[in-house]
Amino acid sequence: GQNIDQPTEMTATEGAIVQINCTYQTSGFNGLFWYQQHAGEAPTFLSYNVLDGLEEKGRFSSFLSRSKGYSYLLLKELQMKDSASYLCAVRVLMIYNQGGKLIFGQGTELSVKP
Amino acid sequence: DTAVSQTPKYLVTQMGNDKSIKCEQNLGHDTMYWYKQDSKKFLKIMFSYNNKELIINETVPNRFSPKSPDKAHLNLHINSLELGDSAVYFCASSQDVGEDRGADTQYFGPGTRLTVL
Repeated sequence: GQNIDQPTEMTATEGAIVQINCTYQTSGFNGLFWYQQHAGEAPTFLSYNVLDGLEEKGRFSSFLSRSKGYSYLLLKELQMKDSASYLCAVRVLMIYNQGGKLIFGQGTELSVKP
Repeated sequence: DTAVSQTPKYLVTQMGNDKSIKCEQNLGHDTMYWYKQDSKKFLKIMFSYNNKELIINETVPNRFSPKSPDKAHLNLHINSLELGDSAVYFCASSQDVGEDRGADTQYFGPGTRLTVL
């Protein structure tokens, strides 16, 4: 089956660094996405990894190790507005119709405190 | 400038009713999706269409019927609503990359909060 795990909640302090981990067991892996979702809003795209290594985008970085089925999202210089749910999603490819779908983890609720 | 829009934003209805949610995207994307997010915040794919062709149909009750009149629109009709259908429904869209349908980043609409009483 397809399985994606991430911690349910995390707390961090303004200005600090936080790392949110995601482990996955899927077939047909075709990339890993991180989305941010504020309460009552739509998920918004943060980052994408399809090859092993680190992708950096301003205060946000994401890492992928395909052999370990592992990714993390690193948030630096935390701000209060970073309080949100962070969703790890794996894209799996369906060979039979060349389509793909995102399978989401349960999300990690991050609280940033002053 | 809205990229992916949905109507209505809120929908409150009685059990047994039939309702529709509409989605439109102006990004020129080829693939559109419907997701359901339950009270535990789990976001789960329901359907996906590529250029009006159904390509993903997860194990969703057949009371749910998607319709794509053109590649910019994907509507969701729900018959005989049940209490368990209460959730937030998100529409999303993405671009093809070569022959890989919808491979590029998915962009989400604002969501429709459905409450069944």
